[in-house]
Amino acid sequence: DTGVSQDPRHKITKRGQNVTFRCDPISEHNRLYWYRQTLGQGPEFLTYFQNEAQLEKSRLLSDRFSAERPKGSFSTLEIQRTEQGDSAMYLCASSFFWTSGGANEQFFGPGTRLTVL
Amino acid sequence: TQLLEQSPQFLSIQEGENLTVYCNSSSVFSSLQWYRQEPGEGPVLLVTVVTGGEVKKLKRLTFQFGDARKDSSLHITAAQTGDTGLYLCAGVSSSNTGKLIFGQGTTLQVKP
Repeated sequence: DTGVSQDPRHKITKRGQNVTFRCDPISEHNRLYWYRQTLGQGPEFLTYFQNEAQLEKSRLLSDRFSAERPKGSFSTLEIQRTEQGDSAMYLCASSFFWTSGGANEQFFGPGTRLTVL
Repeated sequence: TQLLEQSPQFLSIQEGENLTVYCNSSSVFSSLQWYRQEPGEGPVLLVTVVTGGEVKKLKRLTFQFGDARKDSSLHITAAQTGDTGLYLCAGVSSSNTGKLIFGQGTTLQVKP
């Protein structure tokens, strides 16, 4: 197993265009998280899935953002009508969560750096 | 809302010096994770602390979780240039989401 992968690593787009990012988690992990990180800040939670169900979305996630995890494996994050304020690093993380407890350690992918011109 | 305050934000030291990074909150976390991040890459998990008062060591790095599980520290002994990077603490939310609440990060520069 090679860890969490994300594609593309870099994306440059013009304001108003739509973009889609993909995340492939560690194969046995049932939880998948999306975070956004701007320069000089720690990552901020956007949304997460347990298997194929999207269970929580942050207030940061406007209506222009949508995420899916159709078969409980890979996930996509789409941003419609991009704005310059969307420029950031988009990070995906996965974990194995079980209800009896555990630290829910999250392992991150390399991120997708989005630049909106 | 759970928040984590991390300090200092920037640290520039000479090789061989010791340093401590702090993470503080008024909230209790079920566990706390420390990450290191290189420019243009995702955070890499260093350690997870779960029990109040727990101390974990990773070579020259010592991590401690406060007794009340509201704060944590990272101590590096005899820093090396290879320790340069962004250090992030992240508390696991007490809600069932398990989402991470990150501090602002500490940028460490170790000069030769």
